[in-house]
Amino acid sequence: VMTQTPLSSPVTLGQPASISCRSSQSLVHSDGNTYLSWLQQRPGQPIRLLIYKISNRFSGVPDRFSGSGAGTDFTLKISRVEAEDVGIYYCVQATQFPRTFGQGTKVEIK
Amino acid sequence: QVQLQQWGAGLLKPSETLSLICAVYGGSFSDYYWSWIRQSPGKGLEWIGEINHRGGTNYNPSLKSRVTMSVDKSKSQLSLKLSSVTAADTAVYYCAREIIVARGAFDYWGQGTLVTVSS
Repeated sequence: VMTQTPLSSPVTLGQPASISCRSSQSLVHSDGNTYLSWLQQRPGQPIRLLIYKISNRFSGVPDRFSGSGAGTDFTLKISRVEAEDVGIYYCVQATQFPRTFGQGTKVEIK
Repeated sequence: QVQLQQWGAGLLKPSETLSLICAVYGGSFSDYYWSWIRQSPGKGLEWIGEINHRGGTNYNPSLKSRVTMSVDKSKSQLSLKLSSVTAADTAVYYCAREIIVARGAFDYWGQGTLVTVSS
């Protein structure tokens, strides 16, 4: 089970935001990798990959997005929130079957 | 430029079979896993299952008895069938590409197909 907190995050433009994702089991795969990704869902836009394997930023993703963590606890940080960052953010684990997603965290502007 | 284009029936009656196609344009078809993921109205994401270019599959145990995925390499298309649908299967269904060496890296998504189950 993947548990995200908070479920809602009102943020002032230019301020940081942080989302936590906790797994009920270790996400370290037998191959040594940890398959934890972060996705962004903005209104009217296709779902977008932000981060994979905990901290690898996907192509084209601004460097204000960063991922960290290990084992069962992971964090997505937005260093300075911009208007285009409004949306819902999901963590997803792919270490085990079935793949499971967090409930989603809604980031909105105060 | 990679694009995943989906289509299929959007309105079903209970007990019917959901059938969706996802066509892949651009990029290699063989170097990725291909997943189906759904999102019920107002809710989060649920992984349905995955298939590779050889037809190897992994399904979510919660849906396994009703799910069939297949691949047509000649057309670069995936298909999803979900039998005996109920109102609980009402959702937006997505196909997504997953990088094999970076599992969980769903890098391209289809536009989503809303499937409504109603009598």
